[in-house]
Amino acid sequence: GAVVSQHPSRVICKSGTSVKIECRSLDFQATTMFWYRQFPKQSLMLMATSNEGSKATYEQGVEKDKFLINHASLTLSTLTVTSAHPEDSSFYICSARVGLAGMLQETQYFGPGTRLLVL
Amino acid sequence: AQTVTQSQPEMSVQEAETVTLSCTYDTSENNYYLFWYKQPPSRQMILVIRQEAYKQQNATENRFSVNFQKAAKSFSLKISDSQLGDTAMYFCALGGAGSYQLTFGKGTKLSVIP
Repeated sequence: GAVVSQHPSRVICKSGTSVKIECRSLDFQATTMFWYRQFPKQSLMLMATSNEGSKATYEQGVEKDKFLINHASLTLSTLTVTSAHPEDSSFYICSARVGLAGMLQETQYFGPGTRLLVL
Repeated sequence: AQTVTQSQPEMSVQEAETVTLSCTYDTSENNYYLFWYKQPPSRQMILVIRQEAYKQQNATENRFSVNFQKAAKSFSLKISDSQLGDTAMYFCALGGAGSYQLTFGKGTKLSVIP
């Protein structure tokens, strides 16, 4: 249980184009999903918190107009990198929160990640 | 603000031996939870073990166990009978009850040597 998929796993695009990454919780409903960015040999950096049916909350320094997040259903969140540039090349990971009332079973499960290369 | 510190950037262990990865943290919350995640070369983040702060008993999952010292704010991971498949980056993470966000340490790269 608690499987999260991410698509595509790898994408190469030209500078100036937009890229959409999908994150799906396959066997549970996720009211909250998170988007991370990971540079080589570094830890995960939280970009934004996505709640179903509401606007995403972005971390300081993350451009919300560049990284558009939509959480239209309890099983799907999308991250769109708009007008991508080479500096946006990175590994993007989503996670979905499994939570019950209070803190019981509060856990995040991660997607397999998307490697983005902008030429 | 929450912080997580992993003081061992790299470690190695012989196959079948035991290794302990260190993690210390700081939080002002009374209710929180701690995790160890594993990231193998595939880069898929895999949950290894979790611990609720209110539980005194240390969590165990097969060959993986933790030593949770709440007063010292320490949360170390012990891997017994190390296997080649344990080779990975290991991240310690802290979650608060309020925001549901996780704060990650910088990770420890573990190599299991045959």
